[in-house]
Amino acid sequence: TQLLEQSPKFLSIQEGENLTVYCNSSSVFSSLQWYRQEPGEGPVLLVTVVTGGEVKKLKRLTFQFGDARKDSSLHITAAQPGDTGLYLCAGANAGNMLTFGGGTRLMVKP
Amino acid sequence: DVKVTQSSRYLVKRTGEKVFLECVQDMDHENMFWYRQDPGLGLRLIYFSYDVKMKEKGDIPEGYSVSREKKERFSLILESASTNQTSMYLCASSLVAVNQPQHFGDGTRLSIL
Repeated sequence: TQLLEQSPKFLSIQEGENLTVYCNSSSVFSSLQWYRQEPGEGPVLLVTVVTGGEVKKLKRLTFQFGDARKDSSLHITAAQPGDTGLYLCAGANAGNMLTFGGGTRLMVKP
Repeated sequence: DVKVTQSSRYLVKRTGEKVFLECVQDMDHENMFWYRQDPGLGLRLIYFSYDVKMKEKGDIPEGYSVSREKKERFSLILESASTNQTSMYLCASSLVAVNQPQHFGDGTRLSIL
């Protein structure tokens, strides 16, 4: 069974701070997807990274896929209360099956 | 936009009951999935289906079965509900091509008393 470990599990910060969430595995994935889930809703895709070493930016969010395609990070610059939510990484393999990490619950306080 | 609709947001059932959770998607996706979500455990795959009448076990299929009679509809069945099946259940769909995102419903919070 492939495992994805996310860290930290919980993060509470003040508005304006920067933060990084990590997603690590011993397995290689064809791609890595990041989702955000808000209370009462299902996860929504933020980004997919495919190539080892790839960096993608989505406004204040920067996603990086590790060179060996085993790990990924999400960096948020100047966090805002609207960034509050559960962040999930998911590794994809054959047949578009996803293995999900345990999630990072982020709270950004005004 | 893709819409994945789960029939109930909240459901309360009793131990031993047969429980049906329904999911419908409107984008002609081949793949459909059922997950359960528990705090700290992320999403764990129960079953998935890549075509009508086709199904494959996920990581935690015990105590569950599924049905896919039509492409747009994927049902999860708890044959005899138990308290350890109290959880949030999420349905998702996707295209079959590699690296395609999964589109999720809003979940069904199921409580077994």
